[in-house]
Amino acid sequence: GENVEQHPSTLSVQEGDSAVIKCTYSDSASNYFPWYKQELGKRPQLIIDIRSNVGEKKDQRIAVTLNKTAKHFSLHITETQPEDSAVYFCAPRNKGSARQLTFGSGTQLTVLP
Amino acid sequence: GAVVSQHPSRVICKSGTSVKIECRSLDFQATTMFWYRQFPKQSLMLMATSNEGSKATYEQGVEKDKFLINHASLTLSTLTVTSAHPEDSSFYICSASPGQGGNYEQYFGPGTRLTVT
Repeated sequence: GENVEQHPSTLSVQEGDSAVIKCTYSDSASNYFPWYKQELGKRPQLIIDIRSNVGEKKDQRIAVTLNKTAKHFSLHITETQPEDSAVYFCAPRNKGSARQLTFGSGTQLTVLP
Repeated sequence: GAVVSQHPSRVICKSGTSVKIECRSLDFQATTMFWYRQFPKQSLMLMATSNEGSKATYEQGVEKDKFLINHASLTLSTLTVTSAHPEDSSFYICSASPGQGGNYEQYFGPGTRLTVT
């Protein structure tokens, strides 16, 4: 099965600074790489995703970069705001028929005002 | 679009009883539904994958006789926790995927907080 490692587990940044979270996966057949944001007691929300034929994708203050050779992808948040504070999960997906997501251990991001 | 609901949102039950959680896709048909469990400050752990009309596939370490999953229609899956114990207290989240037309995205329900006393 897929082994997923996510770092760091906690990250505190000053408002306006950037935050980067890295996810390493083991299954070279994975072809879809999403990032989810989860607020306390709520459902995970898809914030950005990237497919294996693309190296980088950006959506306003959020970007994701993918290095398929090294089997890692990263979430970049620029100009952080207090409402960005949440737990972020990477969840690479396999190509198998079940299309299962394997969630990383999560990163608690705290943006300090 | 792509709304998934779960019912109930919170449930408290006594040890030894059973509780059923429903997961519905409201505006699309879900070929595949997934059930996750999340303990406090931990990640989502996949419990099982179910396809409409088929038996669920359980992840290693998940007791299929304890966590009964039924996916009887393209819009409804249920998870029944049988003979619940305090250690089953957790946040249970379902997701639903169209699984067709190239759309394999998982749309998550709002979760069910189960407390077993």
